[in-house]
Amino acid sequence: DTAVSQTPKYLVTQMGNDKSIKCEQNLGHDTMYWYKQDSKKFLKIMFSYNNKELIINETVPNRFSPKSPDKAHLNLHINSLELGDSAVYFCASRRGGLGTDTQYFGPGTRLTVL
Amino acid sequence: AQTVTQSQPEMSVQEAETVTLSCTYDTSESDYYLFWYKQPPSRQMILVIRQEAYKQQNATENRFSVNFQKAAKSFSLKISDSQLGDAAMYFCAYRTFTLDSNYQLIWGAGTKLIIKP
Repeated sequence: DTAVSQTPKYLVTQMGNDKSIKCEQNLGHDTMYWYKQDSKKFLKIMFSYNNKELIINETVPNRFSPKSPDKAHLNLHINSLELGDSAVYFCASRRGGLGTDTQYFGPGTRLTVL
Repeated sequence: AQTVTQSQPEMSVQEAETVTLSCTYDTSESDYYLFWYKQPPSRQMILVIRQEAYKQQNATENRFSVNFQKAAKSFSLKISDSQLGDAAMYFCAYRTFTLDSNYQLIWGAGTKLIIKP
């Protein structure tokens, strides 16, 4: 069974369009994350959601908005796509609370903006 | 602020040989966690191994082991009997031992591991 899934795996679109990436985890985890991995492979956290509450919102343009309909889902909506948005986007989840919690990552979504 | 440094952008090793990937970090905290993640060409991020800073014993997972030197703030990954399937980007990551349920992973820039058949 897939622990963290993302759809689509590939997304090619034109500048100015609005697109969404879906993420689902079946691990019963409390916190979910979105990361952006640029062409240099550097991972940058964008958002995290804990019990449907936005916890972290790094310096991300407000064109990006996370939506969490329930604890198992954290979707990423991107409005007015720009060339610089081209990257691989990873969803991740982890169990809440203390301890050596580790993040479990989805397979990634490669977004290409033309 | 904590930082994680992987000084080797790329490493190569002959199949069946042993390779060590370096990671250093900077922190003023005494308790924290360290991780190695693997990202194969499929792009999925896979947890390889983790280490709690308060544990003196180095973590091991089958062919993967770490050399954790807390005083030197070093956390290297050793891969024994390298296999073609080990070819991937390897990321070192740090997280604080926080009582809050919220935390971030601080990531290194990654090391590309090439396995030569």
